[in-house]
Amino acid sequence: NAGVTQTPKFQVLKTGQSMTLQCAQDMNHNSMYWYRQDPGMGLRLIYYSASEGTTDKGEVPNGYNVSRLNKREFSLRLESAAPSQTSVYFCASSPRGDRDGYTFGSGTRLTVV
Amino acid sequence: AQSVAQPEDQVNVAEGNPLTVKCTYSVSGNPYLFWYVQYPNRGLQFLLKYITGDNLVKGSYGFEAEFNKSQTSFHLKKPSALVSDSALYFCAVRDSSGGSYIPTFGRGTSLIVHP
Repeated sequence: NAGVTQTPKFQVLKTGQSMTLQCAQDMNHNSMYWYRQDPGMGLRLIYYSASEGTTDKGEVPNGYNVSRLNKREFSLRLESAAPSQTSVYFCASSPRGDRDGYTFGSGTRLTVV
Repeated sequence: AQSVAQPEDQVNVAEGNPLTVKCTYSVSGNPYLFWYVQYPNRGLQFLLKYITGDNLVKGSYGFEAEFNKSQTSFHLKKPSALVSDSALYFCAVRDSSGGSYIPTFGRGTSLIVHP
């Protein structure tokens, strides 16, 4: 099983450019999440989707948008990238909520110059 | 409100010695508690959880954690450390009586096991 697949693995953007981070899971999970990881900050939730057709803001949603395309896919879009968005981005999924723990993707390392 | 603290940025231990990675939490109701491990350049992997029941929880790779309600702690332990256990460890907590089912992650503790 592939689990949670994120693309791309690495990306360099110029300030003001846009891009979409893709995430897909093959475990038939209902819930999906986008986190960013910064040194000394741990993991911070950007957006989540409790189930297909719903999305909600997390702790740090500004500058991002999301789309739950279907049950498998949950994309994260940066409309106008800023250097403050340089980070490692992780997608995660869970069957329903967090009681069974999350399955994480391997991450996208994004640098905005 | 829910919060979690990992008081040590780094823990050093010799291979073969027991290890402990500390986690304390604060919730209004009963906690759901989790440990995750992150190896270099990888995503987080779920290790174990406490939802209810036995205070000693066993998880993957020989790790266990003890829920202590009076001390509001959920420390991760392993009887004999391996060099391959070297990684970043995250504790997470969720208030089971809260409106949100999203856990809060700690800032992580780097475990270094020396040969």
